Amino acid sequence: DAMVIQNPRYQVTQFGKPVTLSCSQTLNHNVMYWYQQKSSQAPKLLFHYYDKDFNNEADTPDNFQSRRPNTSFCFLDIRSPGLGDAAMYLCATSRVVGDYEQYFGPGTRLTVT
Amino acid sequence: SQQGEEDPQALSIQEGENATMNCSYKTSINNLQWYRQNSGRGLVHLILIRSNEREKHSGRLRVTLDTSKKSSSLLITASRAADTASYFCATDPGHRGYQKVTFGTGTKLQVIP
Repeated sequence: DAMVIQNPRYQVTQFGKPVTLSCSQTLNHNVMYWYQQKSSQAPKLLFHYYDKDFNNEADTPDNFQSRRPNTSFCFLDIRSPGLGDAAMYLCATSRVVGDYEQYFGPGTRLTVT
Repeated sequence: SQQGEEDPQALSIQEGENATMNCSYKTSINNLQWYRQNSGRGLVHLILIRSNEREKHSGRLRVTLDTSKKSSSLLITASRAADTASYFCATDPGHRGYQKVTFGTGTKLQVIP
């Protein structure tokens, strides 16, 4: 089945130790998004790619970066995780930004110790 | 700040009853979407309503949109225990060159068997 896959589902990292979360999709969608969601809050958009065009949200910390080497894969890099970065990280895809629904992966729960 | 504010924040009903959730937003939109999120999982798209539509149905779901009041409601009829989840509205402003869907604060629904 076509889907959005996130690995790992659970990630534990140490304070300040770089971590990479991955997302892959078999939907061949143009757009891939990364959201951060803290407990009982709405998903907050960090950035998105429209094909290879990277779009960063103004309030996304510099600590967060992303790579999209091809249509199928997108990575979220957290260079120096702090305790405040512990959250669920959600990857989503869509065909056209804003005009169609987004398809979400199951998320990666990041714990920072 | 969040584009969408939802109320109630939490709702608890008996199985078989109807559940109504409301979403209010601040600026003009191109479309509004509703998503469901089961605990610890990604979001699942439920329904999209465009700014020129007033009502839309999908199975047991009914969505209304009042652009003059900048509000939308989601009605789930004949609720089931499996409907227990958080529900988010998401708005797309549709501005040229502005490509971002913003999620509301969410309503946590509990359906008691």
